[in-house]
Amino acid sequence: AQKVTQAQTEISVVEKEDVTLDCVYETRDTTYYLFWYKQPPSGELVFLIRRNSFDEQNEISGRYSWNFQKSTSSFNFTITASQVVDSAVYFCALKAAGNKLTFGGGTRVLVKP
Amino acid sequence: DAGVIQSPRHEVTEMGQEVTLRCKPISGHNSLFWYRQTMMRGLELLIYFNNNVPIDDSGMPEDRFSAKMPNASFSTLKIQPSEPRDSAVYFCASSLEGETDTQYFGPGTRLTVL
Repeated sequence: AQKVTQAQTEISVVEKEDVTLDCVYETRDTTYYLFWYKQPPSGELVFLIRRNSFDEQNEISGRYSWNFQKSTSSFNFTITASQVVDSAVYFCALKAAGNKLTFGGGTRVLVKP
Repeated sequence: DAGVIQSPRHEVTEMGQEVTLRCKPISGHNSLFWYRQTMMRGLELLIYFNNNVPIDDSGMPEDRFSAKMPNASFSTLKIQPSEPRDSAVYFCASSLEGETDTQYFGPGTRLTVL
């Protein structure tokens, strides 16, 4: 069975601070995919990134960066120099065998001006 | 390019009424998913289709829920009769299985059952 744990339920920061969101996953499959989605206050779910289990290279996209470590089964997400528009709920998700996504519980990020 | 389209965006109904939610996946995608999001249970997969065929409906709560995909560009999720505990946001997502494996979500339908 697959499981995704986002231990931080809510993080509050002041604008321009960095914020790191933790994601720990469990799966017995050797081939799997990890995802991050953003859910802003408007409610839609926005795809941010996809990583496969064979690619441990970290990725940077603008102010966003992701750290994938198979040794600790973690796929953490960092927002650098946070902005008010980053306020949202962020979900980590895992897709292993089959076509089903398993979501973590989400981390609510509140960026104060 | 158009993303996943859902309608209605908001639905308020009374207990016992039939509710039908609609979804149009991204053109060319062959997998379609229905999710439900609540505060208590988070995001749950209800059912998914591959090439219009239901593959896994183990997440469908009970017989009051049914889903269909008559063609590659349209799916419905029906609740009959609706109950207050069905109040949630229902998301539809689609993906091109075997290529990107990324599911793209629609804007959701917020259902309130009074």
